[in-house]
Amino acid sequence: GQNIDQPTEMTATEGAIVQINCTYQTSGFNGLFWYQQHAGEAPTFLSYNVLDGLEEKGRFSSFLSRSKGYSYLLLKELQMKDSASYLCAVMDSNYQLIWGAGTKLIIKP
Amino acid sequence: NAGVTQTPKFRILKIGQSMTLQCTQDMNHNYMYWYRQDPGMGLKLIYYSVGAGITDKGEVPNGYNVSRSTTEDFPLRLELAAPSQTSVYFCASSYSDSSYEQYFGPGTRLTVT
Repeated sequence: GQNIDQPTEMTATEGAIVQINCTYQTSGFNGLFWYQQHAGEAPTFLSYNVLDGLEEKGRFSSFLSRSKGYSYLLLKELQMKDSASYLCAVMDSNYQLIWGAGTKLIIKP
Repeated sequence: NAGVTQTPKFRILKIGQSMTLQCTQDMNHNYMYWYRQDPGMGLKLIYYSVGAGITDKGEVPNGYNVSRSTTEDFPLRLELAAPSQTSVYFCASSYSDSSYEQYFGPGTRLTVT
């Protein structure tokens, strides 16, 4: 079966760095996406990785290792507005997104 | 651009009733999707469309129907609502199916009692 695993909840301090991990087992791989979802709102796109390595976009970076079936999202200089759920999704061989349950990130002052 | 719009925002249905969730996008995207999101679970794909006149089942299509008569609109029909269909429904669209991000509507929170 297809499976995406990520921690249910994480807590971090304002101004700090946090790494959210995602491991996956899917039928085929056509890229990995990270989305941010604030409570009661729609998911919004953060990043896309299809090749191994690190993609940096401002305070957010995303890393992919296809051989390990592993990705992480790195958030630097945390701000209170970063409190949200972070969703990992893998595009499978049918070009459909398989979604993880999301990691709820709580930022404390 | 309004992006992806959905109506209604909230709805309460009685068991056995039917309804249509509306979804419209103004970005001229060919690909459109319907997902449901249950607490503690990942988004599940219900139906998707790769263009006007073409629809296909996703992971959880039972109890739902869709149509795509225009590029802009992709309504989701619930027939004979059941409590298991209580969920938040998101419509999304994308330019293509591979590396392109999906843009989501604000969601419809549906309760079936």
